[in-house]
Parts: sequence; C-alpha cells; structure tokens
Amino acid sequence: QVQLVESGGGVVQPGMSLRLSCAGSGFTFRDFGMAWVRQAPARGLEWLALISPDGSAKYYGDSVYGRFTISRDNSKNTLFLQMNSLRIEDTAEYHCARQHEGFVDDWGQGVLVTVSS
Amino acid sequence: DIVLTQTPLSSPVTLGQPASISCRSAQRLEHSNGKTYLNWLQQRPGQPPRLLIYQISKRFSGVPDRFRGSGAGTDFTLEISRVEAEDVGIYYCLQGTHFPWTFGQGTKVEIK
Repeated sequence: QVQLVESGGGVVQPGMSLRLSCAGSGFTFRDFGMAWVRQAPARGLEWLALISPDGSAKYYGDSVYGRFTISRDNSKNTLFLQMNSLRIEDTAEYHCARQHEGFVDDWGQGVLVTVSS
Repeated sequence: DIVLTQTPLSSPVTLGQPASISCRSAQRLEHSNGKTYLNWLQQRPGQPPRLLIYQISKRFSGVPDRFRGSGAGTDFTLEISRVEAEDVGIYYCLQGTHFPWTFGQGTKVEIK
C-alpha cells in the first residue's frame, strides 16, 4: 500500500532554515506529482507547493513563495521542502501528499515544525 | 487566490440524520479541459486528511455511499445521508483547478 513518511521537523529560531523530506513507497514515485500541505495548531489546511512527476514544474502558495523550495529525487523516491527565512507563523504540522489530476489522495502522517525564539 | 467559503463552520448532527456542507468559490472552477477539480476531504481527530470526493461527485476508493458530492460552477455541496459516529471530524473542500490550490476553512461535524 502507499506509504508517505515525512522527516526533518524540529524546533528552529526565526530566520533559520530547515529541510523536510518525504519518503514514498508502495507506488511508482516518479509517475506522480507530489505536494506539501501544512496545518498550523488548531487551524485549517494550507496548500504550500506542488511539483510535477519529473520535477520540471513547480507551483507555490503565496505565503511561502520565494522562501520555500520544493524538489524531488526520483532515484530515491523522496520529496523535499527546503524552508528558508522561517517565521513564527510557519509553525505547523507539514504533510506531504500524492497528487493526481486536480486532487491529492494519499497523505503522510505529518512532521512538526516549531519556529520559536 | 481563489477563496472557498464553507458553511456552516459547525454542524451538530443527531446520529442517523443527514448533514450538508456548502462550499462556495469566489470564481468558477471549470478547468480549460472542461473538468471541475472541486474535492472534499475528511479529517478525523488526530489523523491526516482523507480524500472523500474528487471532481465534484466522484467517490474515492473505499468511501461509503452515504457521502455524496454535487454542484457546479461556484456552488458545491457535500451531503452525508445518515451520519455515523465515525463521521465526526472536520470537512474541507479543496479546489485544484487554479494555482495556487486553496482549501475552504473547514466545517466541524459533531454528534449532538
């Protein structure tokens, strides 16, 4: 079955960087677009970024555009999110998800990122 | 960005009774290919979101038939025909037609 496992979360100070990873298994990783979505504490879902199956196309939400970079390594079945210039409001649980045409189906359990001074 | 407005934000329901959630988009969600990428997700407490409905009305694999999606253009609805205890959670609409994709603010379904 499809498995998505995020890692790389933690506690960082404002202005610092962090890189999240998402390991995919149980499906042909290189055939699917992948996305990152986050959920701040007691808040709703926020779509962050999406990358095409071959990595040639990338799309970002307004709140992370220019600070976060989505990438992937299909040889390692892994998705990444490089987060720079982190802000307190970036504190959230970050999920990776597998993308289909216009929707996402399988989700990872999420990884917690806390930005605090 | 396309704003999706869900109503109600909270829906207390008696077990076995129906529930209905509305999702209204600030812009039409028809893609240039003719498809409408309006989806519904369920998030149970402590769990990641789960896809229920995609492209307005298509039930995802394993989703019970008591869940039904409908609508067109800018107005969409998720209906649960008879609410069960396992349906408690927050429901989100998600549009995947226009970048950036956007979610509705969520509707909490709880048992009276």
